[in-house]
Amino acid sequence: GAVVSQHPSRVICKSGTSVKIECRSLDFQATTMFWYRQFPKQSLMLMATSNEGSKATYEQGVEKDKFLINHASLTLSTLTVTSAHPEDSSFYICSARPGYATEAFFGQGTRLTVV
Amino acid sequence: AQSVAQPEDQVNVAEGNPLTVKCTYSVSGNPYLFWYVQYPNRGLQFLLKYITGDNLVKGSYGFEAEFNKSQTSFHLKKPSALVSDSALYFCAVSHNKLIFGAGTRLAVHP
Repeated sequence: GAVVSQHPSRVICKSGTSVKIECRSLDFQATTMFWYRQFPKQSLMLMATSNEGSKATYEQGVEKDKFLINHASLTLSTLTVTSAHPEDSSFYICSARPGYATEAFFGQGTRLTVV
Repeated sequence: AQSVAQPEDQVNVAEGNPLTVKCTYSVSGNPYLFWYVQYPNRGLQFLLKYITGDNLVKGSYGFEAEFNKSQTSFHLKKPSALVSDSALYFCAVSHNKLIFGAGTRLAVHP
């Protein structure tokens, strides 16, 4: 299957700072990528759809100014958590679907801890 | 609106026994249905999908799933469970975006 790489896998930051998470499609181009958030023992919640060369589409209730998404190339999307607070601590996962496939492939996730 | 229900928070199975993880869905039109597995602190791994064709779909690691249109179900099955199958399993439906069920934790005991 296709490979989606997410970095970093784990990050600890101080309250008030910003953190950037990268999502790369390694062997295919992705005009669309998806960002999810997962709370402990819960399902994945879709946060936003990242569109290459245009603005991201955010799900209802997700603060676009808090979670900045940039999709500058066909293989890279970034999620920046701005002015992080402890309640932003979570597991963030990205995914992308190659044009030739019907299934999405997921990055390995980023565990964010805000202290 | 599309939705997915996984009615069981946890399923416990003895190693070697068959396992079933249940999933029902609600979607307008023809559904694309998926099963993914998640190991601790990892992303999701694709197991199998139903798009069209045979109702019985075979996937990775010996898993299979049966699409039942009349019951709007897509249950995940495996004839003989392994301890290493213990993980969190997600059913998902796709229309224009992928929507996940709540997840079912599978525990396979030796």
